[in-house]
Amino acid sequence: DIQMTQSPSTLSASVGDRVTLTCRASQSISSSLAWYQQKPGKAPKVLISDVSRLKSGVPSRFSGSGSGTEFTLTISSLQPDDFATFYCQQYKSNPYTFGQGTKLEIK
Amino acid sequence: QAQLQESGPGLVKASQTLSLTCTVSGDFIKGGDYYWNWVRQPPGKALEWIGNIYYTGNAYSNPSLRSRVSMSVDTSKNQFSLRLTSVTAADAAVYFCARGCRGGDCYFDSWGQGTLVTVSS
Repeated sequence: DIQMTQSPSTLSASVGDRVTLTCRASQSISSSLAWYQQKPGKAPKVLISDVSRLKSGVPSRFSGSGSGTEFTLTISSLQPDDFATFYCQQYKSNPYTFGQGTKLEIK
Repeated sequence: QAQLQESGPGLVKASQTLSLTCTVSGDFIKGGDYYWNWVRQPPGKALEWIGNIYYTGNAYSNPSLRSRVSMSVDTSKNQFSLRLTSVTAADAAVYFCARGCRGGDCYFDSWGQGTLVTVSS
């Protein structure tokens, strides 16, 4: 299985901050990476696929980058609605695996 | 955007079988553009992909669960289902159904709200 490791586990930030979340794969996954946002009691929502392809309706303050085994999700200016847990997921090979999540908290 | 809704018992006894159904609206399982997936999330923990099924009945599952998982699809009702046998406390989780794998890219673009399954001893 491809292991996905996210860092940090928790990030405290303020509205307006620029934040970067990291996701590392245990082996190369090319560009087969998605990012999700999950709020308490809700289903995850896909933000980005193929490393950097923003999904329809997702604000442009979200962006993704990386390749191979190292990937980042950047939020350029945090808004109150952004505080949630973020997961990366590889879909290079079965089983499709998720990172353990980064919880973005209000400072 | 498809809408998905899980249904099934919220409480299962240990060693018994968990059975869930996902009803799809706003899309047709038989359309063939997607695979239909199950993902679970133990309380406070990360997401785990369980498996998926195509409208033809072809199914793939996570090797860690393969011996206990079966899936089926009913295109006439636009539903797909999950069975997980011999459940233990480790199977207690929120179970989500999700649409994904368009063009072979297995990320998930529509999700059900999730259903909490508790395992009793």
